[in-house]
Amino acid sequence: NAGVTQTPKFRILKIGQSMTLQCAQDMNHNYMYWYRQDPGMGLKLIYYSVGAGITDKGEVPNGYNVSRSTTEDFPLRLELAAPSQTSVYFCASSSPLGEGPGELFFGEGSRLTVL
Amino acid sequence: KNEVEQSPQNLTAQEGEFITINCSYSVGISALHWLQQHPGGGIVSLFMLSSGKKKHGRLIATINIQEKHSSLHITASHPRDSAVYICAAPDKLTSGSRLTFGEGTQLTVNP
Repeated sequence: NAGVTQTPKFRILKIGQSMTLQCAQDMNHNYMYWYRQDPGMGLKLIYYSVGAGITDKGEVPNGYNVSRSTTEDFPLRLELAAPSQTSVYFCASSSPLGEGPGELFFGEGSRLTVL
Repeated sequence: KNEVEQSPQNLTAQEGEFITINCSYSVGISALHWLQQHPGGGIVSLFMLSSGKKKHGRLIATINIQEKHSSLHITASHPRDSAVYICAAPDKLTSGSRLTFGEGTQLTVNP
């Protein structure tokens, strides 16, 4: 099993450019998440999905969009990149367990710099 | 939102010492997660527990549901344990599928 695969691992963008961070999981997990982590800070939830066709905003959704057309894929779109979006982005997935997520599986992270 | 607080924020220990990291949360939950973030940035799940205690090698996690408190212990600490340890709790007040993360505890174990 590949687990959670994120691409690209590194990217430099110019202000105003757009890009998509890809995330794929092969564990048939319903729950998928996008987080950002700024230097020295904790994880902040951008968007999440509880299943194909269902997405919802997290704590810091502004400037981002997501879609979930399949169980496996959960791409994160950055429109009109800004320096404030310079961060490390993590995708994660899990299956539901009881009232919340089960064990979390994280991608390796995508380091994005906006200049 | 379920408030999650960790302590200490930073911890430096000598190799072999017993380590304890604490996590408190404000809203009752079904299970609490402990994660480890390596110096290189990768994040792995260590434990998910809803009651009592779990052990994996030198790592032990305990939880007291009534007191809304969990601890992560590392016995016979080693420099390779140096990492950020993060606890996370389901955010039942908004959506149980979301997690609220603590700010993390930076652990440094010196040889």
